[in-house]
Amino acid sequence: EVQLEESGGGVVQPGGSLRLSCAASGFTFASFAMTWVRQAPGKGLEWVSSISGSDDITYYADSVKGRFTISRDNSKNMVYLQMNSLRAEDTATYYCAKDTNVIVPNWFDPWGQGTQVTVSS
Amino acid sequence: DIQMTQSPSSLSASVGDRVTITCQASQDISNYLNWYQQKPGKAPKLLIYDASNLETGVPSRFSGSGSGTDFTFTISSLQPEDFATYYCQQYDILPITFGQGTRLEIK
Repeated sequence: EVQLEESGGGVVQPGGSLRLSCAASGFTFASFAMTWVRQAPGKGLEWVSSISGSDDITYYADSVKGRFTISRDNSKNMVYLQMNSLRAEDTATYYCAKDTNVIVPNWFDPWGQGTQVTVSS
Repeated sequence: DIQMTQSPSSLSASVGDRVTITCQASQDISNYLNWYQQKPGKAPKLLIYDASNLETGVPSRFSGSGSGTDFTFTISSLQPEDFATYYCQQYDILPITFGQGTRLEIK
C-alpha cells in the first residue's frame, strides 16, 4: 500500500523558515515525481512545487519561486520542502502527493494527510 | 497561466440525483484534465484522470468527458458519501492549476 506522511509543520513568524518532510512507502520511490500542493484555510488547492524522480528537475509556482526549495533523498524515500522568507499568505495545509509520471507532474495519487503551516507574528 | 473555471461553485442535491459539474479551461488543454474529490478535513482523492479515465477502485457512477476547453464531471446517482468538494486540475502547461472547486451539499 502506498503511504505518504508529512511532518514539519508549525507556527512561524513572518520572514522565518520551515522544512517540511514527506516519508513515502509502498512503491519504487525513485520512479515517480513528487509534488507539494497547499490549501489555505477555507480555500481551494494550489500547486506549489514538483520534483522529478531522479532529482534533477524541479518546478515551482511563481508565488514560491526563489523562497521555497524542493528536494528528495531517494535512499531514504523522502521528499522535502524548504520554505524560507515565509509570508502570511503561505499559511496553509501542505500536502505531499505522488505523481504518476517520473519527470513531469501530471496527476496526483495518493496524497498524504497534510501538515499545517501557520505564518503569524 | 491557464485558468480553470468550475461551474457551479456550489450545488445542492438529493441522494439518487444525477449531478453534473463543468470545468472550462482558458485555453486548449487537450484531455490533460483530472478530477478530485475532497471531504472536510481530508486530503483530496483522485477520481478521474485524462478527462475520462476512472481511477482504479472508484465507483462507476463517477464519469468524466470533454476535451479542448470544456469538460464535464458527472455522478449518475448520488450516494450519501459523495457529498464533498470536487476540483478539476489541468496539467497541459505548467504551472499546474486547479479549478476553484464545487461544493456538493445535501438538499
